This record gives sequence, structure tokens and C-alpha cells, in this order.
Amino acid sequence: GAGVSQSPSNKVTEKGKDVELRCDPISGHTALYWYRQSLGQGLEFLIYFQGNSAPDKSGLPSDRFSAERTGGSVSTLTIQRTQQEDSAVYLCASSPSGRGTGELFFGEGSRLTVL
Amino acid sequence: GQQLNQSPQSMFIQEGEDVSMNCTSSSIFNTWLWYKQDPGEGPVLLIALYKAGELTSNGRLTAQFGITRKDSFLNISASIPSDVGIYFCAGLGPSTQETSGSRLTFGEGTQLTVNP
Repeated sequence: GAGVSQSPSNKVTEKGKDVELRCDPISGHTALYWYRQSLGQGLEFLIYFQGNSAPDKSGLPSDRFSAERTGGSVSTLTIQRTQQEDSAVYLCASSPSGRGTGELFFGEGSRLTVL
Repeated sequence: GQQLNQSPQSMFIQEGEDVSMNCTSSSIFNTWLWYKQDPGEGPVLLIALYKAGELTSNGRLTAQFGITRKDSFLNISASIPSDVGIYFCAGLGPSTQETSGSRLTFGEGTQLTVNP
């Protein structure tokens, strides 16, 4: 497709289980970002990829969170041993390059609910 | 870290009215942006401002990059029902721009409701 694609769109899981969220960026976009949006809140930065490397992962809230990107394309955000406070919408965004223009193209997000 | 204070948190207006919202920060930013988020969607860029003092329009939207580089406002004129949504300001700081591409700091959003 032409836009950023995320899956699953909704995920309900039990506390303590692991989850994987997937992001397929716009073709040719080298930069990829993960953000988290809690209910009624702004977007909280998690991690930035340029190609397959992550120059900035300072926003990951704990060591239960990890992310990887392969082939300069698809990225997976993994949350281990989920907690109720992990419930949020996880948004992925891409941009054509690592040049800081601020223009991000967002996916529709993956809504995670931890029971 | 850097924080953006966005106000108001919510607005309820009549169709045809003008709207104004703003963002302030204690830190300077090199770039200010305004995004809109519709329910169930990701944010979409409305306006980007790259120079202190810059005033930019996009149809019924007008935004300004404050001269101190610590604030920005967004105006919407003659509101229509499809303007409903959450509006976010976002900033790109000088240090993160060097190391983290377009890593943005977001405000908490302004929820706009337009009554027909």
C-alpha cells in the first residue's frame, strides 16, 4: 500500500504475556519511529531507526521493550511480560530520510489492551 | 526533557467560528509543526514552520513560529464539521535534530468539537 501499515490494529492480551507489533513503512523511507499514545495524552517517543540501526532508543520505558528493523523496511516492537500500564496505542511513523524536517507519516496504530 | 504546554485542552465551538490554540515551551525549538488526528487514525501533518517569526497559511489554517522560538499558535478560520479532531503541536529541538532525525516532542493535544 501507499501508506504506513501496522498490525494488528487491536490486541488484547493477559498480563505477563509477550506481544509483537509490526510496522511496514512507506517504501523507500529510511527513517522509522515508534511512539506511544496513552488515553487522552500526547505522543511519547520510544525509538528511532535509520536503516536497520537505532541511533536513539532512549524513549523505551524499560528493558521489557525492544524493537528491531530488518532489510531497512519492516520493524517489530516487542513488549515482554506485559503490564496493565503498557495499555496504549502504539504508533509507527516513517520519513524519507534521517534529515530532521519533522514531517512524519503515521500509521493508524496498534491498540494494545492488557487485562 | 523538553516539554510542550498546549492549550486549551478542549474547545466546543459553533460551525463558522474561528479557533485559536497555542503551544509554549521552556526550551527553544528549530522547527514547529501542527498535526491533526482523526478518531482511529494516525496524526497527519497540517503545517510545518522552519524559521523564527515565520507565518504560514494552508487554506483556512494559519500558524506562526514565535520569535523567541519557544512558542507557536494555530488559527482555524470559519470552522466546519470536518475540523473535528485532536490537534497536536510538535517541536524539533536543535540537539535531537542532529542525532535523532525527526524525533518530535508533542504537546498533549487540543480536542476540537464543532457543532453544526
